Amino acid sequence: TQLLEQSPQFLSIQEGENLTVYCNSSSVFSSLQWYRQEPGEGPVLLVTVVTGGEVKKLKRLTFQFGDARKDSSLHITAAQTGDTGLYLCAGVDNTGKLIFGQGTTLQVKP
Amino acid sequence: ETGVTQSPTHLIKTRGQQVTLRCSSQSGHNTVSWYQQALGQGPQFIFQYYREEENGRGNFPPRFSGLQFPNYSSELNVNALELDDSALYLCASSLLAVTTGELFFGEGSRLTVL
Repeated sequence: TQLLEQSPQFLSIQEGENLTVYCNSSSVFSSLQWYRQEPGEGPVLLVTVVTGGEVKKLKRLTFQFGDARKDSSLHITAAQTGDTGLYLCAGVDNTGKLIFGQGTTLQVKP
Repeated sequence: ETGVTQSPTHLIKTRGQQVTLRCSSQSGHNTVSWYQQALGQGPQFIFQYYREEENGRGNFPPRFSGLQFPNYSSELNVNALELDDSALYLCASSLLAVTTGELFFGEGSRLTVL
């Protein structure tokens, strides 16, 4: 069974601080995705990384796919209160279905 | 907005009852996946439907069943509800041909079982 493990599970920081969320697996994934979910809403896709070593930037968010395609990270620079939410990594498993990590709950305090 | 709509948004049932949740997929999408999400956790895959046929199932008992209709909308049925079935049920639509598996989620149906 392929698993995705995220760390940390919970993060509480002050506005303006930087943070990194990690997504790790012992299995190789053809691609990994990052979603953000706000309370009362469904997850919304932020980015898909496909190539080992790939780095993608989305404003203050930087996503990296590990060289071996087993891990990924999300770095947020100068966090804002609007970044508060549940961050989920996801990958297509060997049955072709999208599986999720357990999520990282981020709280950014003003 | 993703164009995926779910109903109802909230509902309360008692143990042993049955529930039906509904999902309308995004226009042009032929595949619907259902997920169960406990509070503060990642979504767990229940099953996927493609062209009205089940196309993969997660580790959920048979009392979780589904349907997909010719217009690609879908239903999730849960029989003999248990307290642990309380969760947010998410529907997501996609194009099966997209191998990166990108999904477009609805806002979910929050089920509380008392």
